[in-house]
Amino acid sequence: QVQLQESGPGLVKPSQTLSLTCTVSGVSISSSTHYWSWIRQSAGTGLEWIGRIYSSGSTDYNSSLKGRVTMSTDTSKNQISLKLRSVTAADSAIYYCARHSGYYSNNGYYTWFDPWGLGTQVTVSA
Amino acid sequence: DVRMTQSPSSLSASVGDRVTITCRASQNIGTYLNWYQQKQGQAPKVLIYATSTLQSGVPSRFSGSGSGTDFTLTISSLQPEDFATYYCQQSYDTAVFGQGTRLELK
Repeated sequence: QVQLQESGPGLVKPSQTLSLTCTVSGVSISSSTHYWSWIRQSAGTGLEWIGRIYSSGSTDYNSSLKGRVTMSTDTSKNQISLKLRSVTAADSAIYYCARHSGYYSNNGYYTWFDPWGLGTQVTVSA
Repeated sequence: DVRMTQSPSSLSASVGDRVTITCRASQNIGTYLNWYQQKQGQAPKVLIYATSTLQSGVPSRFSGSGSGTDFTLTISSLQPEDFATYYCQQSYDTAVFGQGTRLELK
């Protein structure tokens, strides 16, 4: 059974870098054929996809985050990390990591988020 | 970017009611549409993927339909555990979620 657990500081000062880690158990991310995503949720913006990373290290990011995001993997620890630079109060949210499940069909590749981690609350405040 | 609009934003219903939630995409997304249920204090959980395929373990009272730009999630007979917030999500172009529909007990 695949499980994900987010961790990191719950409080970050404005203009600093938010750093979170997602520890994966039940599967090796280095041998996985799945993408892994970060998603955040705040009262103001709802659920927002932040970005995804593949086992090869290739990444895709939400363009709305304007180049502030970096995702990486640490295969020795089976972890996925997220860094969000120059944070403001608008970045306060619950941050989730999630695996992409999916399959190929004649119509293309269908994918959805399953499972999710429990989430971690991050507040940006001085 | 593809935008997703759900309606209604909130809904009051009773146990046993049939409920329909609508999700509209700003452009044609085929059948690349997923539905999630989120209960208070929990992460979202996938109910339906690829518009109409029920995730394993999800009760058959949940169903999904649609294609192109218009999609629906239907709960045929509400149960007490179904009162939650529901989100659609398109997977046609990375991932974008609808704003959510809060289903409350009348």
